[in-house]
Amino acid sequence: AQSVTQLDSQVPVFEEAPVELRCNYSSSVSVYLFWYVQYPNQGLQLLLKYLSGSTLVESINGFEAEFNKSQTSFHLRKPSVHISDTAEYFCAVSEVLAGNQFYFGTGTSLTVIP
Amino acid sequence: NAGVTQTPKFQVLKTGQSMTLQCAQDMNHEYMSWYRQDPGMGLRLIHYSVGAGITDQGEVPNGYNVSRSTTEDFPLRLLSAAPSQTSVYFCASRGTLGSYEQYFGPGTRLTVT
Repeated sequence: AQSVTQLDSQVPVFEEAPVELRCNYSSSVSVYLFWYVQYPNQGLQLLLKYLSGSTLVESINGFEAEFNKSQTSFHLRKPSVHISDTAEYFCAVSEVLAGNQFYFGTGTSLTVIP
Repeated sequence: NAGVTQTPKFQVLKTGQSMTLQCAQDMNHEYMSWYRQDPGMGLRLIHYSVGAGITDQGEVPNGYNVSRSTTEDFPLRLLSAAPSQTSVYFCASRGTLGSYEQYFGPGTRLTVT
């Protein structure tokens, strides 16, 4: 089974400042990687995903994540955050050859301070 | 296109009671799953199904039962509720062939007293 680690449970950041949310996973096999966002009292929504190809993936609202195979990481970054980015962020992993199960990290609560 | 729907939104049970959490999707997705979300533990997979008539256990299946008689519906049954099952439950679905985006329902908040 995979292990997904999000080291930072809470990240406060001032509006318009940059932010990085860290995600590391345990597998040495080929994986698919995801970031999901959860706004209060809602379900999870896919933010971005890495399946193959370019190791840098972007979302439509300014987030990006970089797949680093040697460090087994998939950190999420945004150069300038907005109040509306306040939410819980989850990293998830699925193994390419055993894709029926997704493994989620414990989540990072991002709070953007005005 | 409603996506993934879950009922009820909130439920309070007494220890020992049974109930069924409903989940339905209208996207003709083959893969459906149930997760529970607990503070500090993220989402943990309870059961999943890769098609009608096919189910399998996830990480935390004890105390839960599932069946998949149709592509659209994937109910989760709590056989004898326990306080440890107090949680928020999410149902999710995705197409199986080449699609790894999971679509989540809005969740059911369950309290067992």
